[in-house]
Amino acid sequence: RKEVEQDPGPFNVPEGATVAFNCTYSNSASQSFFWYRQDCRKEPKLLMSVYSSGNEDGRFTAQLNRASQYISLLIRDSKLSDSATYLCVVPWGFQKLVFGTGTRLLVSP
Amino acid sequence: DADVTQTPRNRITKTGKRIMLECSQTKGHDRMYWYRQDPGLGLQLIYYSFDVKDINKGEISDGYSVSRQAQAKFSLSLESAIPNQTALYFCATSDPNKGAGETQYFGPGTRLLVL
Repeated sequence: RKEVEQDPGPFNVPEGATVAFNCTYSNSASQSFFWYRQDCRKEPKLLMSVYSSGNEDGRFTAQLNRASQYISLLIRDSKLSDSATYLCVVPWGFQKLVFGTGTRLLVSP
Repeated sequence: DADVTQTPRNRITKTGKRIMLECSQTKGHDRMYWYRQDPGLGLQLIYYSFDVKDINKGEISDGYSVSRQAQAKFSLSLESAIPNQTALYFCATSDPNKGAGETQYFGPGTRLLVL
């Protein structure tokens, strides 16, 4: 298994839809996880952190399943402005973060 | 003003040339990183520095060198650029004192094209 794996998409959804992405990781020792958002040709920015079973922030919910070693990101009531690439990020030991290749989301009118 | 800045934002160079990418931050963070991003690949760590006297190689350091001139400045050099170093380069900072996990703050990126 790769260190961090994501479905590249793209996920094409209409406005108002609910969409979910999964990310699997291989390091069972990882304790914290992150979702970053990256707009086209721009820098990644932190969207959410996940330290325990999950985290919710408005329309965004991140969940962690340690037994199956995956984290998910759920976006409710999708907006056009949610169109971006979502990067799953997993700390690897003390020294680095491992970034997934990202899942691209396209929200259409 | 942006907390993490990178210069230049875009650069076209020729094979064999030496170039330097610069990163400055005003966040007061000790940790700084250089990544490259290629289409279809995740960000790959080139070098990282946990303080001014600490420099460490990342996954793909061959062909690159770095200099940590001060807490706020971390430069990446390509000693002799080659076409497969064409990529989008990001600098990032983090603060380990924020507790479990470390949010990384990225600069706007430098687009490098090596002909």
